[in-house]
Amino acid sequence: EAQVTQNPRYLITVTGKKLTVTCSQNMNHEYMSWYRQDPGLGLRQIYYSMNVEVTDKGDVPEGYKVSRKEKRNFPLILESPSPNQTSLYFCASSFTFPGNTEAFFGQGTRLTVV
Amino acid sequence: GESVGLHLPTLSVQEGDNSIINCAYSNSASDYFIWYKQESGKGPQFIIDIRSNMDKRQGQRVTVLLNKTVKHLSLQIAATQPGDSAVYFCAETISGGSNYKLTFGKGTLLTVNP
Repeated sequence: EAQVTQNPRYLITVTGKKLTVTCSQNMNHEYMSWYRQDPGLGLRQIYYSMNVEVTDKGDVPEGYKVSRKEKRNFPLILESPSPNQTSLYFCASSFTFPGNTEAFFGQGTRLTVV
Repeated sequence: GESVGLHLPTLSVQEGDNSIINCAYSNSASDYFIWYKQESGKGPQFIIDIRSNMDKRQGQRVTVLLNKTVKHLSLQIAATQPGDSAVYFCAETISGGSNYKLTFGKGTLLTVNP
């Protein structure tokens, strides 16, 4: 089954404790991206990757890092989480940049930073 | 599931009625637009897309209209069903540019009353 898988689905952590949210897709997609979703603000893009070893900032990259060492994986790293990073996070992938093809989203990761 | 409907514009319709969801986009250079549906506790799901060289595109029970003059998109859902209850997002991008980002609107919560 074609899917985008995020882990964990729920995470509660403390301020400053490094964490990684994993994202994996099994569709051989080149383009992957991370979004955060907050009430009243919709989805905002954090980082995206056009292909392996090619990443770039989205609209809200501060406090986040990403890596793309393999085509299928695109982890989101929070080196020192803060309470303002409490949010619902989504990973998405598409064959190319989504301006041309359908994007598939993961189920989301609810992160709470206390 | 997590609520993403707080602070959103809402539309409440009766089952069987037609629904119209509106979206004002921000960038006059955007040339590709997508509608997504997000059910409670799930990631966004592609519904339909349209390119700027079109004014209208139809899918199964859905129609997207694009008015570039006033930077406005609408999503029409025919014979709305309870399963259509969700948050609907429009997204815009410049498909041929060097800025490989997808920008989402804030969403509209559609509630279908049986």
